[in-house]
Amino acid sequence: DAKTTQPPSMDCAEGRAANLPCNHSTISGNEYVYWYRQIHSQGPQYIIHGLKNNETNEMASLIITEDRKSSTLILPHATLRDTAVYYCIVSTDAGNMLTFGGGTRLMVKP
Amino acid sequence: NAGVMQNPRHLVRRRGQEARLRCSPMKGHSHVYWYRQLPEEGLKFMVYLQKENIIDESGMPKERFSAEFPKEGPSILRIQQVVRGDSAAYFCASSPWGQVGAYEQYFGPGTRLTVT
Repeated sequence: DAKTTQPPSMDCAEGRAANLPCNHSTISGNEYVYWYRQIHSQGPQYIIHGLKNNETNEMASLIITEDRKSSTLILPHATLRDTAVYYCIVSTDAGNMLTFGGGTRLMVKP
Repeated sequence: NAGVMQNPRHLVRRRGQEARLRCSPMKGHSHVYWYRQLPEEGLKFMVYLQKENIIDESGMPKERFSAEFPKEGPSILRIQQVVRGDSAAYFCASSPWGQVGAYEQYFGPGTRLTVT
C-alpha cells in the first residue's frame, strides 16, 4: 500500500472549517483514500473514503486532486468533540488491512 | 444495528497466563481484522479472518499468538504465556463481504490488556 504523509498536528478554532491535508504521491490506480479518526483511546472511527471524485457525507468532505497525489479532509464546522488523531490511509479494495501512520493530531480550541 | 463488540474491555493477566480476547462483528459482516496499539504508538495490523479461514496473518507474532473466527460465535484472539510487552490495546474491526469496491472497516471499543 502507498505511503502517506500528514502534518503531525494542527489547531482549529471551534466553528471554523478544519482542512487536513494528506500527500500520497505513490498511490496506484486501484487504491482508495480512506480517512479515519481516533478520539482519545477509543476505537478508530471511519469518516469517509474516495477513489477519484470528491466525496461528501454527514461527517466530512474529501477533496482528491486530479492527479490523485494528495487529498484534503474537510470538517466544515469543527467542534470540540472533533479533537482527535486523523489518519489518512490508502488501500486497495475489500479484504485489505489498514496501515496506520502517525496521523494528524487535530486540536479544536474554543 | 449493534456495532462491533469486544470483551472484555479490560483484562489483567500475570506473566505466563493466557489472554483470550473476543470480538463479535457487526451483523452481516463476515470479515474480521485484529489490530494492536502499543502505548503511545499507532495501530498495527495483526490478522485478517473470514469465517473459518485465516486470510492474512502477516502481522501476527510468530509465537504465542493465534486467532480464529469459527462458523458460530465470536472471533477469538489468544495470547499464550503473556509477557509485559503484550500490554496494549487490541482492536477488532469488521467489514461486509463484497467482491469488488471499497469497504470501510468498523472498529470495536478495544480490549486493554495489562500484564503484571
